[in-house]
Amino acid sequence: QVQLVESGGGVVQPGRSLRLSCAASGFTFSRYGIHWVRQAPGKGLEWVAVISFDGSNKYYADSVKGRFTISRDNSKNTLYLQMNSLRPEDTAVYYCAKPGEVVPAANYFDYWGQGTLVTVSS
Amino acid sequence: DIQMTQSPSTLSASVGDRVTITCRASQSFSSWLAWYQQKPGKAPKLLIYKASSLESGVPSRFSGSGSGTEFTLTISSLQPDDFATYYCQQYNSYSRAFGQGTKVEIK
Repeated sequence: QVQLVESGGGVVQPGRSLRLSCAASGFTFSRYGIHWVRQAPGKGLEWVAVISFDGSNKYYADSVKGRFTISRDNSKNTLYLQMNSLRPEDTAVYYCAKPGEVVPAANYFDYWGQGTLVTVSS
Repeated sequence: DIQMTQSPSTLSASVGDRVTITCRASQSFSSWLAWYQQKPGKAPKLLIYKASSLESGVPSRFSGSGSGTEFTLTISSLQPDDFATYYCQQYNSYSRAFGQGTKVEIK
């Protein structure tokens, strides 16, 4: 069965860095673009970033552009999110999410990880 | 960027009620719309994709409709397990925007 397991969250001071990981199993990871979506405490869902199946294309929300970097290692079935220059407003649960189809336009999410909490606070 | 606006923000209903949630887009797009259910402390769960396609395993009391700028999620007969927050999501190759959510509460 499809599984997505995030890790790497924690408490970090403003301006510092953190790297999240998402370990995937149960599907052909290398065929899918994979996304990060976040949710601030008590708030709605916010799309963060996507990386294409082969890592050649990456897109970011304006709120994280220039600070966050998405990457993947298809040999390890793992997705990453390097978060630099963290701000208090980046505090959220971060989910990795798998699209329902391999076609690039089908960016709806049929599987989500359990999420990892990032808290940015001094 | 396309902005998605859901209404209402909160909905109070009773078991057995028919419930409709609306999602409006700031500009017209094709039927690339999904609906999710989220319960506290859990990841979202996909209910509907392509505006009206029911995800496998989702009860048939859930249905989606709409096109252009207005979309709806309907729960034909609300069940105790359906009290949750619902999100719409517009998607295509270049954007994917969520609505702000609709919380369905027990009346």
